[in-house]
Amino acid sequence: EAGVAQSPRYKIIEKRQSVAFWCNPISGHATLYWYQQILGQGPKLLIQFQNNGVVDDSQLPKDRFSAERLKGVDSTLKIQPAKLEDSAVYLCASSFYKGQGAYEQYFGPGTRLTVT
Amino acid sequence: AQSVTQPDIHITVSEGASLELRCNYSYGATPYLFWYVQSPGQGLQLLLKYFSGDTLVQGIKGFEAEFKRSQSSFNLRKPSVHWSDAAEYFCAVGSGYSTLTFGKGTMLLVSP
Repeated sequence: EAGVAQSPRYKIIEKRQSVAFWCNPISGHATLYWYQQILGQGPKLLIQFQNNGVVDDSQLPKDRFSAERLKGVDSTLKIQPAKLEDSAVYLCASSFYKGQGAYEQYFGPGTRLTVT
Repeated sequence: AQSVTQPDIHITVSEGASLELRCNYSYGATPYLFWYVQSPGQGLQLLLKYFSGDTLVQGIKGFEAEFKRSQSSFNLRKPSVHWSDAAEYFCAVGSGYSTLTFGKGTMLLVSP
């Protein structure tokens, strides 16, 4: 079974530029998540999709971040314009229902973004 | 609000020695608990999880964890550490559709 795919793996941009990340979840996983992991911290959820609908985007800085999940499969996360504090690893995860109300998340390798 | 505390930022263990990584959580309902491992430049790999039932759970790579409701803890253990276990370990709590809340992680260093 193929894992969660993300691209690019690394990206360096200047502040005020825009950038986009792509994620392809594990086949059949209805739920998709984007996390931001700043150096020295645990991942923080940015947005959660169930199929192509948003479940939780309460921690997404909507003035500069946007995300979509067309057709309930692939997803893109965009930052425009980028700030220095956006330097982080952006992780995509997908999950399926395990029963008993529980979901198990599988993570992609992440995209390391450096904003200069 | 749910939260996870991993009190140790770094831990150094000699190869072959036992390991225990601490995790305390705060959650209003019955928690689902997870341990993930992250090697440099890699995503997070699930080591083990607790949903219900037996409070001692076994995971991959010889790891185990014990859920103690009275102490709000879910500590990770391994009887004999290998050099390849050096990585960062994250404890997380969640339930159902709700998102995972992660701790800040514990970096494990293995000395020869």
